[in-house]
Amino acid sequence: GNSVTQMEGPVTLSEEAFLTINCTYTATGYPSLFWYVQYPGEGLQLLLKATKADDKGSNKGFEATYRKETTSFHLEKGSVQVSDSAVYFCALARGSTLGRLYFGRGTQLTVWP
Amino acid sequence: GAGVSQSPSNKVTEKGKDVELRCDPISGHTALYWYRQRLGQGLEFLIYFQGNSAPDKSGLPSDRFSAERTGESVSTLTIQRTQQEDSAVYLCASSLHAGRNTGELFFGEGSRLTVL
Repeated sequence: GNSVTQMEGPVTLSEEAFLTINCTYTATGYPSLFWYVQYPGEGLQLLLKATKADDKGSNKGFEATYRKETTSFHLEKGSVQVSDSAVYFCALARGSTLGRLYFGRGTQLTVWP
Repeated sequence: GAGVSQSPSNKVTEKGKDVELRCDPISGHTALYWYRQRLGQGLEFLIYFQGNSAPDKSGLPSDRFSAERTGESVSTLTIQRTQQEDSAVYLCASSLHAGRNTGELFFGEGSRLTVL
């Protein structure tokens, strides 16, 4: 079946620290991979995506590389800010399900000044 | 409106009562999705509407759950005879079209349901 496993939180960092949130997936075929973010009081929104192996998605200083050999899509940022405090969700989609996403449990990130 | 709107934002009900949750998608979005998030869990797919096609109901957990959508507008998720395990945040999302692997869903802030 299709599933996503992401590291459990909460993750607490100081401003300007390096961030990694691990995500691995199980899927048949060739899924697309996504990171969604939920800021306090807001709905989930797409942060970045990658649709094929070795693609790198990037946005707002965040990056994630689609690694087929390790079935991973780890989220990284070189220098976090207080405003990055949010819940981050890794997700995958299969083409045949036309937009249906399978989500991980989410990882709470808190950044202190 | 500018985004996906859900109501109510919070609902507390007694076990056995019926509840209705409403979703107003972004105007012009043809695809609409319902997800559920129970405490400490990921988002669980419930149902998906695409235009006039038959909805994908494969994620509905029991026959107490049903959903309707009028054309490409408002959707209502109904839970009959609520149980405590139905307590969750119910999220609605819409997208411009359900193209393959787009993944770009626009989410509402959710309706938090508590069943006592």
